[in-house]
Amino acid sequence: SAVISQKPSRDICQRGTSLTIQCQVDSQVTMMFWYRQQPGQSLTLIATANQGSEATYESGFVIDKFPISRPNLTFSTLTVSNMSPEDSSIYLCSVEGLAKNIQYFGAGTRLSVL
Amino acid sequence: AQSVTQPDIHITVSEGASLELRCNYSYGATPYLFWYVQSPGQGLQLLLKYFSGDTLVQGIKGFEAEFKRSQSSFNLRKPSVHWSDAAEYFCAVGAGNTDKLIFGTGTRLQVFP
Repeated sequence: SAVISQKPSRDICQRGTSLTIQCQVDSQVTMMFWYRQQPGQSLTLIATANQGSEATYESGFVIDKFPISRPNLTFSTLTVSNMSPEDSSIYLCSVEGLAKNIQYFGAGTRLSVL
Repeated sequence: AQSVTQPDIHITVSEGASLELRCNYSYGATPYLFWYVQSPGQGLQLLLKYFSGDTLVQGIKGFEAEFKRSQSSFNLRKPSVHWSDAAEYFCAVGAGNTDKLIFGTGTRLQVFP
């Protein structure tokens, strides 16, 4: 399995501001994923990020709101832009390990928007 | 379209009792099936997975799950629950031709001493 570090672990932000979440992996991986977990809810995939190409967004998520960077095989960022209280969630990064179709998750970023 | 249903939102058991968490999936072909656990304030940890072969799979922490194609189910079991098993449990299904996972709504397990 991969070791995944997410920063920050939590943050409290003002509405209208943006927050960038970092995801660092201890090994090179092809596929990285960003999920949102709203309070008391399950995980919803925001986008898939492959190195060297644009992220692929799921229905209901757009690049202007959730821009993603994937500069190399061990790192990705997700920005939550122009935040509103509805963006208060846990945001999780995951990676596909050496075994295809198996994802490993970071500890998540707990975001509260006031 | 793929979907996952976890019928039980909240389950309470006594420590030492047996446990079964239900998961039903909808998928046309043989799915990839997973159980993850999320402890309070933590990320998701993979408990076990089923891709093919033996329908009874063993995982970490003494958990096992059985794939039943006829019932479209992948229930998670543990013969004797420990207080440290209190957490949120998520069932997930993946398609072989993509890397996406679809998660169920989760089952919150509470363990009483």
